[in-house]
Amino acid sequence: GQNIDQPTEMTATEGAIVQINCTYQTSGFNGLFWYQQHAGEAPTFLSYNVLDGLEEKGRFSSFLSRSKGYSYLLLKELQMKDSASYLCAVTDSNYQLIWGAGTKLIIKP
Amino acid sequence: SQTIHQWPATLVQPVGSPLSLECTVEGTSNPNLYWYRQAAGRGLQLLFYSVGIGQISSEVPQNLSASRPQDRQFILSSKKLLLSDSGFYLCAWSAGADPSTGELFFGEGSRLTVL
Repeated sequence: GQNIDQPTEMTATEGAIVQINCTYQTSGFNGLFWYQQHAGEAPTFLSYNVLDGLEEKGRFSSFLSRSKGYSYLLLKELQMKDSASYLCAVTDSNYQLIWGAGTKLIIKP
Repeated sequence: SQTIHQWPATLVQPVGSPLSLECTVEGTSNPNLYWYRQAAGRGLQLLFYSVGIGQISSEVPQNLSASRPQDRQFILSSKKLLLSDSGFYLCAWSAGADPSTGELFFGEGSRLTVL
């Protein structure tokens, strides 16, 4: 079966750095997405990786290793507004988007 | 710029009653349209997607249906709601020839509680 694994919840301190991991087992691979979702709101796009390596976008970076079926989202200089759930999603060989359950990130002052 | 709007934002319905959630997209033509359901602690579940008017693909057998009467309008319906239909429903759109290869833009979400 197809599976996306990410931690259920993480806690970090304001101003620090946090890394949210995502591992996947899918039938084929056509890209990996990270979305941010604040409580009670819709998800918003953060990043897209289709090739191995690191994609940096401001305070957020996303890394992909296709051979390991692994990605991480790195958040630097954490702010209170970064408290949200972070969703990992993979497009498989049939171009179906498989979603992880999300990682709830709690930022403490 | 493109916008997506869905409504109602919140509704409480009795078991066995009908449902209609509506979603419209502005500022783009021929979008791919999607209905997702999100249950607590679980990943987004794709219910329906559409690549054009009248073209609906169903991903999960259920008592829900979808229709696309106009290019930028997507409707989720049910004739008789079940308790298990409770959840957070999200409409989304994307551009591109293949569904789910591009960035998704989500509506505000509709929280449905079936009692």
